[in-house]
Amino acid sequence: ETGVTQSPTHLIKTRGQQVTLRCSSQSGHNTVSWYQQALGQGPQFIFQYYREEENGRGNFPPRFSGLQFPNYSSELNVNALELDDSALYLCASSPWGTNSPLHFGNGTRLTVT
Amino acid sequence: RKEVEQDPGPFNVPEGATVAFNCTYSNSASQSFFWYRQDCRKEPKLLMSVYSSGNEDGRFTAQLNRASQYISLLIRDSKLSDSATYLCVMDTGRRALTFGSGTRLQVQP
Repeated sequence: ETGVTQSPTHLIKTRGQQVTLRCSSQSGHNTVSWYQQALGQGPQFIFQYYREEENGRGNFPPRFSGLQFPNYSSELNVNALELDDSALYLCASSPWGTNSPLHFGNGTRLTVT
Repeated sequence: RKEVEQDPGPFNVPEGATVAFNCTYSNSASQSFFWYRQDCRKEPKLLMSVYSSGNEDGRFTAQLNRASQYISLLIRDSKLSDSATYLCVMDTGRRALTFGSGTRLQVQP
């Protein structure tokens, strides 16, 4: 059984550009959550996807958007990148409706210059 | 005020020491609590869940006090490999976890 996988592992973008990050959920997990972790901070909830629709969102502007596909994998898109978007982006998957702890993928480290 | 507050540390302790971390939370609707461990430049990994009755996993003991809205983690007989950042986490039941900023532990030989 494979866990959550994310790609790419590292990415460097320029301010104003757009970026797409990818996440493959663990087998059997139909819910995907995305988190942003800035340096020296704890992860912050961006949003969650279930049944290909956004199901809960944290305090992030609309230029952060996502998709979930029929195979439950997900993408996080960020438009008009800002320097403060530099962070570790984490994805976690889980079965819908459970209270089991989340397990994260290895993350994508995004640097915006 | 942050929803989850932790002392950032660092806590510098010698091998074999006992160290305790506390964490306070402001949302009384929080349903589930966890401690995660994060190594430098890695993803957070679940250390243990936290229950009101207290729970122990080897050298680690976690405790939840709902009346005072705090969570604790006790590490006994510290090892060099325990050096990491420990994140206090709560779940209000909507699966959007709220993390503290983490407490850094450095165990020294």
